[in-house]
Amino acid sequence: AQSVTQLDSHVSVSEGTPVLLRCNYSSSYSPSLFWYVQHPNKGLQLLLKYTSAATLVKGINGFEAEFKKSETSFHLTKPSAHMSDAAEYFCVVSERTGTASKLTFGTGTRLQVTL
Amino acid sequence: DAGVIQSPRHEVTEMGQEVTLRCKPISGHNSLFWYRQTMMRGLELLIYFNNNVPIDDSGMPEDRFSAKMPNASFSTLKIQPSEPRDSAVYFCASTGGTGGILNTGELFFGEGSRLTVL
Repeated sequence: AQSVTQLDSHVSVSEGTPVLLRCNYSSSYSPSLFWYVQHPNKGLQLLLKYTSAATLVKGINGFEAEFKKSETSFHLTKPSAHMSDAAEYFCVVSERTGTASKLTFGTGTRLQVTL
Repeated sequence: DAGVIQSPRHEVTEMGQEVTLRCKPISGHNSLFWYRQTMMRGLELLIYFNNNVPIDDSGMPEDRFSAKMPNASFSTLKIQPSEPRDSAVYFCASTGGTGGILNTGELFFGEGSRLTVL
């Protein structure tokens, strides 16, 4: 069975400082991993994905994540936070079950960006 | 391009009433998902369809919930009778290609239907 743990429910950073949102996963197989962002009153939008290619994955809006198998981690980072980055972020692991596939969402990390 | 379209965006109803939520997936996508989001339980998969056929409905809470996909461009999620604990935001998402989410790597979400059951 697969699972995903987002280690922080809430992270607060100042504008212009680095962002680190932590995610650990558990999967029986080689997983595909994703980060999604949800702005207030909006649906989720894909930030980036890892699907067994390069371990350092670059996404939209300057975000990137590194897949570390030895640590079972997929942390999301950004060098410099912007006010518009304030949102909820979800780490997601996928697993193929037969001919289908299933996503497991983390509980989310709310990112607050202050002036 | 039109994204996933959900209606209504907001619904307030009284306990015992029937609620129908609607979703139009992105044209050409062959997989459709219904999720429920609450503060207590986060994002939960209720059911998903592939080529209009329900593949996994193990997340549907109970018999009061039902979902249909009569064609590739329309799906409904119905709650009858509704209860206050059904209050949540319901999201529809779609994706395309063989293998679904693993191959395409992306789910496209609608903006959600916020349901309040009094």
